[in-house]
Amino acid sequence: DGGITQSPKYLFRKEGQNVTLSCEQNLNHDAMYWYRQDPGQGLRLIYYSQIVNDFQKGDIAEGYSVSREKKESFPLTVTSAQKNPTAFYLCASILGGAGNQPQHFGDGTRLSIL
Amino acid sequence: EDKVVQSPLSLVVHEGDTVTLNCSYEVTNFRSLLWYKQEKKAPTFLFMLTSSGIEKKSGRLSSILDKKELFSILNITATQTGDSAIYLCAFLSNYGGATNKLIFGTGTLLAVQP
Repeated sequence: DGGITQSPKYLFRKEGQNVTLSCEQNLNHDAMYWYRQDPGQGLRLIYYSQIVNDFQKGDIAEGYSVSREKKESFPLTVTSAQKNPTAFYLCASILGGAGNQPQHFGDGTRLSIL
Repeated sequence: EDKVVQSPLSLVVHEGDTVTLNCSYEVTNFRSLLWYKQEKKAPTFLFMLTSSGIEKKSGRLSSILDKKELFSILNITATQTGDSAIYLCAFLSNYGGATNKLIFGTGTLLAVQP
């Protein structure tokens, strides 16, 4: 079945450690997105990518990095510079183009600090 | 700055009640407004609204957009415990052509009691 797969479901980070969250889609979607969700808040955009080898910062990009070497993959690295990384991270994708289409979401990764 | 405001932040009702969730927005480059339902994991798509005054309906859920007053409502009739979730409102914005950027509100937490 086509969809978006995020892994792992749960992740723990130690102080000063970088961790990478995986997002893979087999929907042949062009654009991919990373969101962060904190309790009592909506989704906030971290990074997004419209095409391979190109990505843009969202509203809260500090302390995060991404790459888009393949169309189907958009990994997110939470660096040690992100001082409050505990949150629920959601990856999404969309077919692209100028048409109106809803985003498809993965099941999320819950990141906590040890 | 683009923003989406949802109200109420949380709501507790009894099965069989009708609820109305509100979403107001201030955006540039508006393309469409979307409603999502989020239970424990990824948000699932409910409606996409692009035109004013046209109601979209799916079973007991319906939604309408007012582009003049910049708001949307989501109605749920004859609520059931399975409707308990966070309901997210988001607008789809078009930045520089093909980019589809979703800006989310904080969500409304709905709890339906038996």
